[in-house]
Amino acid sequence: QQQVKQSPQSLIVQKGGISIINCAYENTAFDYFPWYQQFPGKGPALLIAIRPDVSEKKEGRFTISFNKSAKQFSLHIMDSQPGDSATYFCAASGGFKTIFGAGTRLFVKA
Amino acid sequence: NAGVTQTPKFQVLKTGQSMTLQCAQDMNHNSMYWYRQDPGMGLRLIYYSASEGTTDKGEVPNGYNVSRLNKREFSLRLESAAPSQTSVYFCASSATPGYNEQFFGPGTRLTVL
Repeated sequence: QQQVKQSPQSLIVQKGGISIINCAYENTAFDYFPWYQQFPGKGPALLIAIRPDVSEKKEGRFTISFNKSAKQFSLHIMDSQPGDSATYFCAASGGFKTIFGAGTRLFVKA
Repeated sequence: NAGVTQTPKFQVLKTGQSMTLQCAQDMNHNSMYWYRQDPGMGLRLIYYSASEGTTDKGEVPNGYNVSRLNKREFSLRLESAAPSQTSVYFCASSATPGYNEQFFGPGTRLTVL
């Protein structure tokens, strides 16, 4: 079964610190790797995404690093803020299907 | 522009009862999806519809059926609910499959007693 493994399950970071969430995938047919952010009681919303032909993508304080040979990718949140406290899901997409990681619950302490 | 809407927001069923979860999108998207979200398991795809008139199974289709009623609407039916189907259900849509953002609805929290 196709899997996307995400770690850690939960993360506590001080305000202003760097939050790092890691994901690993198995299927080399995946060709689109989005990260979704979910606040309690809401549906997930796209945060940032990358394709495997680049090794890094940055949007504001959010950066995806992608290592195609290791089949790993990670989300870095710089200068983490209390408003970033949410659950983050990595995903791997190929064709019609998207496989999500189990999620990381991030709490940023003020 | 409401995006993706789902009804109902909450539902409690008894084992063996049936119900239909409704989903509609107003973004003229071709593809629609149903996911379930369980603690520690992320989102798992139940069924998807790549385009109007087509549906296909995802990772966890057993116990569910779907109907793509038209381009806007995609419903999920539980014929005989079981406690294992207690979950939060999300509908999503995207312009096309593949390199495209999926837009999610607010979810339906279902409890099966």
